[in-house]
Amino acid sequence: QVQLVQSGAEVKKPGASVMVSCKASGYKFTNFPIHWVRQAPGHRLEWMGWINTATGNTKDSQNLQGRVTFTRDTSANTAYMELRSLTSEDTAIYYCLRWYYDSGWDWGQGALVTVSS
Amino acid sequence: QSVLTQPPSVSAAPGQKVTISCSGGSSNIGNNYVSWYQQLPGTAPKLLIYEDNKRPSGIPDRISGSKSGTSATLGITGLQTGDEADYYCGTWDSSVWVFGRGTKLTVL
Repeated sequence: QVQLVQSGAEVKKPGASVMVSCKASGYKFTNFPIHWVRQAPGHRLEWMGWINTATGNTKDSQNLQGRVTFTRDTSANTAYMELRSLTSEDTAIYYCLRWYYDSGWDWGQGALVTVSS
Repeated sequence: QSVLTQPPSVSAAPGQKVTISCSGGSSNIGNNYVSWYQQLPGTAPKLLIYEDNKRPSGIPDRISGSKSGTSATLGITGLQTGDEADYYCGTWDSSVWVFGRGTKLTVL
């Protein structure tokens, strides 16, 4: 069955960067885009962007002011999200999604990133 | 401010029916498919409806989706206590994906 397994929780200081990984299994990795969504505590879902896993092309939400980069390693069936210049407002659970039929078909378990001095 | 408007909360008794609305515009719902997600407390969201009104395998037929113009609706019949969750609509808006603010369903 399809699984998206994300890396573990991280605690970062303001101004630092964080990288979250998302290892896919149970399907052909390059056949489906991976999207990233985050959710601050008690807040709604926020779309961050996506990566075409076949070509590596990406698009991110303008809300992140160019601080985010999406990459992938096709040999490891893994997608990555790096967020730079962290502030307390970036404290959130970060999810990766397998995109299918214009929907978040499968979701990773989430990775909590806490930004605190 | 989200471009998709959902009611903050809805409630109904067990066994009853509830609908959750998602209102947008021509740049989003009016010209793109809508999907719906259920988020149980402390868990990752789960896809309930895709392409406006289709259910992935494993989603019971008491869950339904519809769309008319620039509004979409999620319907749940035969409410169960296990349906208590947050529900989000989502769609494309000018090549950016947008979610509604979410609706908290309480089963009284």
